[in-house]
Amino acid sequence: QVQLQESGPGLVKPSETLSLTCTVSTYSISTDYYWGWIRQPPGKGLEWIGSIYHSGTTYYNVSLKSRVTISVDTSKNQFSLQLRSVTAVDTAVYYCATYNSNWYTFDYWGQGTLVTVSS
Amino acid sequence: QSALTQPPSASGSPGQSVTISCTGTSSDVGGYNYVSWYQQHPGKAPKLMIYEVTKRPSGVPDRFSGSKSGNTASLTVSGLQAEDEADYYCSSYAGSNPYVFGTGTKVTVL
Repeated sequence: QVQLQESGPGLVKPSETLSLTCTVSTYSISTDYYWGWIRQPPGKGLEWIGSIYHSGTTYYNVSLKSRVTISVDTSKNQFSLQLRSVTAVDTAVYYCATYNSNWYTFDYWGQGTLVTVSS
Repeated sequence: QSALTQPPSASGSPGQSVTISCTGTSSDVGGYNYVSWYQQHPGKAPKLMIYEVTKRPSGVPDRFSGSKSGNTASLTVSGLQAEDEADYYCSSYAGSNPYVFGTGTKVTVL
């Protein structure tokens, strides 16, 4: 069982950068999983943001690619999300999760954190 | 990459079956046998229920089953129980833009 916990500001101003960290426990980030970010606007569906391997290889949703950076810190067993130039449409619950590249599934999820974009 | 299309809602009485469709294209659902289904209860993170079209992770009841025909995948919940009331999302590997979710279906147990 992999445990994940998102952390970061719950309120971000428009045009600024949203930054979140996912801390992984009970499992080393430097193993077989990819690690991913997914978001869900209030009352709406899920949207894949991107995924990263511990080597640093990344895959991003093409619709967000120009504004997103996902990075990994193996020494802290964490991976992070940066989303630049945010607007109100980026208000969502942000989840981190393990991404199984064998079956293309998100197997374990964090509890999610609500980020609101507002001045 | 557009979201996969699901009906907004589905319902059934306890003990009955409900089937949810998930329609994509030949670039996602129709092109790969990597369709997954997730269950999400209100305020909770999604839970993986089906992967590789038909397979169930350990601990998922065999009342949940998946199938695919062409560009459309389906999730069937047999013997509906009250705890099955939730939102369900399909997803698929999609090649160059590797991952896409469905629009979601709210299942109501009458």
